[in-house]
Amino acid sequence: DAGVTQSPTHLIKTRGQQVTLRCSPKSGHDTVSWYQQALGQGPQFIFQYYEEEERQRGNFPDRFSGHQFPNYSSELNVNALLLGDSALYLCASSLLHAGEQFFGPGTRLTVL
Amino acid sequence: QQQVKQSPQSLIVQKGGISIINCAYENTAFDYFPWYQQFPGKGPALLIAIRPDVSEKKEGRFTISFNKSAKQFSLHIMDSQPGDSATYFCAAIGYNQGGKLIFGQGTELSVKP
Repeated sequence: DAGVTQSPTHLIKTRGQQVTLRCSPKSGHDTVSWYQQALGQGPQFIFQYYEEEERQRGNFPDRFSGHQFPNYSSELNVNALLLGDSALYLCASSLLHAGEQFFGPGTRLTVL
Repeated sequence: QQQVKQSPQSLIVQKGGISIINCAYENTAFDYFPWYQQFPGKGPALLIAIRPDVSEKKEGRFTISFNKSAKQFSLHIMDSQPGDSATYFCAAIGYNQGGKLIFGQGTELSVKP
């Protein structure tokens, strides 16, 4: 079992650009959640996807959007990048209603 | 009401000592309390978790103590080792919270040889 995988590992963008991050959940998991972790902070919930629908959303603007595919993999899209979007973006997979969420290694996004 | 408060922010312990990290919450709808361990440049790894119907859970050198009435829980690392040096996050989630894990601010643990 490969666990949760994310790509790319690192990404550098400039302000105003758009970025797409990808996540493959653990085998057998059907739910994907995305978190943003700023340096020195705990992860902040962005949104969760189940059955290809956004199930819940945290306090993030509409510039953050996502998608879940029939194979349960997911994408996080961020438009009109700001310097403050620089962070580690984490994907977590789980079964719906299960408390346990397993995190991937993250994608380090740097916005210049 | 959604916050989870964690202390201390940093902790230095001698090898073989006990590391203790504390967390407090307000939302009584939380019903699952995991602890995550995170090494620099890596994603958080689930360490141990507890539900509020038990007061203590032990897995190897790691123990969670849970006080439902005080809305507090803590992680104890027995016989701390230099390899335990990492950032530890407590978290909380409720069945009806839609899958949103609420994290504490983190504790940077350093175990000195």
